[in-house]
Amino acid sequence: EPEVTQTPSHQVTQMGQEVILRCVPISNHLYFYWYRQILGQKVEFLVSFYNNEISEKSEIFDDQFSVERPDGSNFTLKIRSTKLEDSAMYFCASSGTGVPPLHFGNGTRLTVT
Amino acid sequence: AQSVTQLGSHVSVSEGALVLLRCNYSSSVPPYLFWYVQYPNQGLQLLLKYTSAATLVKGINGFEAEFKKSETSFHLTKPSAHMSDAAEYFCAVSLTTQGGSEKLVFGKGTKLTVNP
Repeated sequence: EPEVTQTPSHQVTQMGQEVILRCVPISNHLYFYWYRQILGQKVEFLVSFYNNEISEKSEIFDDQFSVERPDGSNFTLKIRSTKLEDSAMYFCASSGTGVPPLHFGNGTRLTVT
Repeated sequence: AQSVTQLGSHVSVSEGALVLLRCNYSSSVPPYLFWYVQYPNQGLQLLLKYTSAATLVKGINGFEAEFKKSETSFHLTKPSAHMSDAAEYFCAVSLTTQGGSEKLVFGKGTKLTVNP
């Protein structure tokens, strides 16, 4: 069964550094998402992306965040200047039609020190 | 606005016992509802979904959930717990965004422990 893959599985970075989290969605899917889960808290929506543009973003997704689909297969989340509070598990997801269910990757655990 | 409440952040059952994880939703329109499971150090795996067809939904690993509109509930059950069911379970409701895509609003999760 096709799956969403995320790399790396764990990323450690220093406060103020830029990080790029990478995702390869399911190949025929058209809608892409990033969610995050701070340790011990609920999974939260960050952003959705369709037709090469952001279709919705949450209040969390401020100017420090950006997303890109640089080629036909990758979908990336960039955090320009990481803060301690960005430490979380970041999940990429995709769907074929925009209607759930979303297919999630295994996540990237980001640790900001 | 759509929201989800999961009652009980931790549930502990004995192996072979009934599993009942509670989820109540709030939605102004007929919702799409989901249960996801997260095993330790893994991602979110879809257990089952309700999309306005049958009210009793069967999922993977012997789990099922019943949509009850009158109670705004979507509780997850399994007749007999297995040690491998130990995980965190998330209920979610789907919300259509202004951009036309769907996003999920998750509950806080319920951690299920299965005792031998």
